[in-house]
Amino acid sequence: AQTVTQSQPEMSVQEAETVTLSCTYDTSESDYYLFWYKQPPSRQMILVIRQEAYKQQNATENRFSVNFQKAAKSFSLKISDSQLGDAAMYFCAYRPPGNQFYFGTGTSLTVIP
Amino acid sequence: KAGVTQTPRYLIKTRGQQVTLSCSPISGHRSVSWYQQTPGQGLQFLFEYFSETQRNKGNFPGRFSGRQFSNSRSEMNVSTLELGDSALYLCASSLGTDSTGELFFGEGSRLTVL
Repeated sequence: AQTVTQSQPEMSVQEAETVTLSCTYDTSESDYYLFWYKQPPSRQMILVIRQEAYKQQNATENRFSVNFQKAAKSFSLKISDSQLGDAAMYFCAYRPPGNQFYFGTGTSLTVIP
Repeated sequence: KAGVTQTPRYLIKTRGQQVTLSCSPISGHRSVSWYQQTPGQGLQFLFEYFSETQRNKGNFPGRFSGRQFSNSRSEMNVSTLELGDSALYLCASSLGTDSTGELFFGEGSRLTVL
């Protein structure tokens, strides 16, 4: 079974600090893609960052970076210099090529001023 | 470029009724997928359509169905509604031909079943 697990239902971080959201997944595939999506309170989900499994280098997008550990099937998201606008629900997702997306249950992030 | 548009945004139905939700993808996107979002369950995949054909299907009962039209617009239908069908239904579109398959989401249709 292909599943995605986010073990932290809720997280909080002080503004300007760094927070890491955890994600693990289960797969027997060797080629796949991993994503972090953000869903602000207005509900429209947007892509934060994407990682191709065949790339060893961790993806980075401005203040957002990932720690991709393929052998451990772990894909955590690090948010640096947290801002109030980062408050949202974050979903980790896994997708084998040509197949459906599998999403985790989400982590609700609160940013404390 | 217009984003993914879902209608209606909110609706209330009673048990046993049926409902049809609509999704207009981003222009040029040929793939539309549907998800059910409930608290604690995350996003559950319903189905994906590409060029009017169902390409993938999730593990939902036959009461949940969908279709895609030649202009890539998609509809999903839920018949014989149950209380447990109350959820946010999200539609996402993508090119459908690129390997990464980045999804672009609509704001969702909030269904309440009484």
